[in-house]
Parts: sequence; structure tokens; C-alpha cells
Amino acid sequence: EVQLVESGGGLVQPGRSLRLSCAASGFTFDEYSMHWVRQRPGAGLEWVSGLSWDTDDVAYADFVKGRFTISRDNAKKSLYLQMNSLGPEDTALYYCVKDQDSNSWYVSPFDLWGQGTMVTVSS
Amino acid sequence: EIVLTQSPGTLSLSPGETATLSCRATQTISSSYLAWFQQKPGQAPRLLIYGASNRAPGIPDRFSGSGSGTDFTLTISRLEPEDFAVYYCQQFGGSSMYTFGQGTKLDIK
Repeated sequence: EVQLVESGGGLVQPGRSLRLSCAASGFTFDEYSMHWVRQRPGAGLEWVSGLSWDTDDVAYADFVKGRFTISRDNAKKSLYLQMNSLGPEDTALYYCVKDQDSNSWYVSPFDLWGQGTMVTVSS
Repeated sequence: EIVLTQSPGTLSLSPGETATLSCRATQTISSSYLAWFQQKPGQAPRLLIYGASNRAPGIPDRFSGSGSGTDFTLTISRLEPEDFAVYYCQQFGGSSMYTFGQGTKLDIK
């Protein structure tokens, strides 16, 4: 089955760190660029970060630059998001998302979403 | 930064009617890089339309997309009960990386 399964969310205090993981299955993971998209409670969708299939290209939304780091392990078919210096504004459901087109960067829509992992930043 | 503004914020219609959702950009977008998503409560978003007018696999032909430049439209004909959800447009490929509109909620009247 083609799917993405996120993990690693939870309750964390402001200023602390958290690492999210996404396990992919059912497709050739190392051929697709991957992303993290978040949705704050009751709000819309925000793209957070993306990493190309070959790791040559990486991008971050301005609101996470310098705090979050995206990475992938193609051998483990996994995507990660290291989140540092978390603040209450980072409270959100974080989705792992796949590009529709293989071997592309920044020109493909998102065609597969995980169910998300919830991150709550609160003291 | 390219901002996408969706209208209306909420649209109340009855099953069988036609919904017309708008997405307007602050700068010209290539049609190739405009997508629409549907999100139902408690579910992840689902790709409906890409390249402004191409239906994703498995999407019924009741869903259609159109537009160019800064104005794009998602039309849902013959509304079914399962179509009532929140719809987002998204752009990419430009200078702003990936951005989403704020969403249009399609309500049952």
C-alpha cells in the first residue's frame, strides 16, 4: 500500500526540540522530493520545508529558517524534521507529503499525504 | 511573496447544485503550478486538480478547474453529500516556494 506514516509528535515545552519522522512505503522513495506541511488548530495549510529526491535542493518557509532542519534517509525510506527552539506558534498537525512527479524539484504538486503527527508546544 | 486569496470564505449550497470557488493570486502564476485540494474533517488533504485543469487520478469528472494568470476557479457540478468539505488552492514554481490559499468551506445548505 502506498502510504506515509508520521511519528514523533507530542507535547513539548517552549524552547525545546522535537524530531518528527515519516516512514514511506509502496513507492520508490528515493525518486521523489518530499515535504512537511503543517496545519495549526482550526487554520489552513502552511508549507514548512521540502527536500529534493537527491538531497541537492532544500527549502524552508521563512518562519522556520534557522530553527528546523529537514533530512531524509533513502535507505530507510524515511523523512525527518528536526525542530529546535519551538514556540507556541509551532503548535500544529504536521503532515509528511510526497511530490506527484518523480525526479523533480519545485515543479510538482503534492499527491500523497500522511495522516499527520500533532505537535503541541506549551509549558 | 505570492499570496493566494480564496473566495468566498464559506459557500452554502444544496446537493445537486454547482459550486464555483475562486482563487486569486497577487502575481501571475503559471497554470502548470496551480493545484486544488479537498480536506474533510479529521482527514488529510487530497489532491483534486493540478496544472490548473487536470484531474488527479480517481477524481470524478464533476470536479473541474480552469483559469490562468492570476485568476483560477474550481467548479464542482452536481454536488454530492461527500463533496462538502474545505477546499484549498496552492501555487508553486515561483519565487515564493509553496503557498496555499486560506481555504473555502463548502457547507450543506
